[in-house]
Amino acid sequence: EAQVTQNPRYLITVTGKKLTVTCSQNMNHEYMSWYRQDPGLGLRQIYYSMNVEVTDKGDVPEGYKVSRKEKRNFPLILESPSPNQTSLYFCASSLYPASGGYSYNEQFFGPGTRLTVL
Amino acid sequence: KNEVEQSPQNLTAQEGEFITINCSYSVGISALHWLQQHPGGGIVSLFMLSSGKKKHGRLIATINIQEKHSSLHITASHPRDSAVYICAVRSLSSGGGADGLTFGKGTHLIIQP
Repeated sequence: EAQVTQNPRYLITVTGKKLTVTCSQNMNHEYMSWYRQDPGLGLRQIYYSMNVEVTDKGDVPEGYKVSRKEKRNFPLILESPSPNQTSLYFCASSLYPASGGYSYNEQFFGPGTRLTVL
Repeated sequence: KNEVEQSPQNLTAQEGEFITINCSYSVGISALHWLQQHPGGGIVSLFMLSSGKKKHGRLIATINIQEKHSSLHITASHPRDSAVYICAVRSLSSGGGADGLTFGKGTHLIIQP
């Protein structure tokens, strides 16, 4: 079954304790991204990756790191979490949009990770 | 940066009604997505379009590139359509590469039996 998986689904942690949220897709997609969703603000992009070893900042990258060492995995790393990073996080993937063209593709979303930082 | 506005923010309708949700954006785009988020939180992609119109079952999405506007219609609405509907755009990139998505804040739809 084609899917995007995230782990953990729920996490409560304390300020400053490093954590990683994993994201994996089995569709051989080039493009992967991380979003956070907050009440009243909607979804905002944190980081995205166009392929292995190619990552770029989204709208709200502060306090986050990512890596893309393998095509299927795109972990989100919080080196020193703070309470303002309490949020619902989504990973998504899609085929890479054709350069300069309009062949963008549907995004597949993971189930979400609800993170609380105390 | 693209500004994405959705209207209405909240919509309550009776089962069977025709529903329209609107999305406007400020800067030229290469694609527009309509997403559905159910009360449990999961997000699914309904449509991705760059011109014209697409239909899937009771859902229809249209886009007018010149007016920078898209609509999502639901015909013969049903309580199971109750969800948050989110518009997202991918802005045109001068380099032709993949820029990120910018999202609207969503339309919270409730269909009453």
